[in-house]
Amino acid sequence: GENVEQHPSTLSVQEGDSAVIKCTYSDSASNYFPWYKQELGKRPQLIIDIRSNVGEKKDQRIAVTLNKTAKHFSLHITETQPEDSAVYFCAASGDSWGKLQFGAGTQVVVTP
Amino acid sequence: NAGVTQTPKFQVLKTGQSMTLQCAQDMNHNSMYWYRQDPGMGLRLIYYSASEGTTDKGEVPNGYNVSRLNKREFSLRLESAAPSQTSVYFCASSSMNTEAFFGQGTRLTVV
Repeated sequence: GENVEQHPSTLSVQEGDSAVIKCTYSDSASNYFPWYKQELGKRPQLIIDIRSNVGEKKDQRIAVTLNKTAKHFSLHITETQPEDSAVYFCAASGDSWGKLQFGAGTQVVVTP
Repeated sequence: NAGVTQTPKFQVLKTGQSMTLQCAQDMNHNSMYWYRQDPGMGLRLIYYSASEGTTDKGEVPNGYNVSRLNKREFSLRLESAAPSQTSVYFCASSSMNTEAFFGQGTRLTVV
């Protein structure tokens, strides 16, 4: 089955700096790669996703890149703000966008 | 439009007790899922229902059963709770080419 690895497990950045989280996956049949943000005690919420026919996608301060050949994808957050502090999860899916294999998560702390 | 609603939000069980976690969605999604989240780990799929009338095992199904009651509702049952089932449980729903939406979670403690 699919295996998703996520690094780093924790990331501390100064406000205004960029943050990068990287994930690798094992199943070449995976074709949907969402990123979820989870604040303490809350539900995971989708912040951006990418499909396998696209190499990069941007939404304001966040962007995701996908390298299908190398089986890795990354989340980039620019101009970080304190409200970006949360746990971020990458995930991969093949036949169903809800049947997800999650990475272990990255705790992002943005210090003012 | 409430999205995905789970009940209860919190529960404490004694070892060996049984309980059912309820989940309902009002987005007319075909597929529904149950995940568990443990500290330091991502969410892991317990069971899913691709469509009304079908259910399948996920990554960690042992100790659980599910029922897809109708298109809106998908329940998770613990027949004999064990301390290893202490976790936060999330229900989710999705449809073809739509993202997964998660409920607010159920924090379960088994003592």
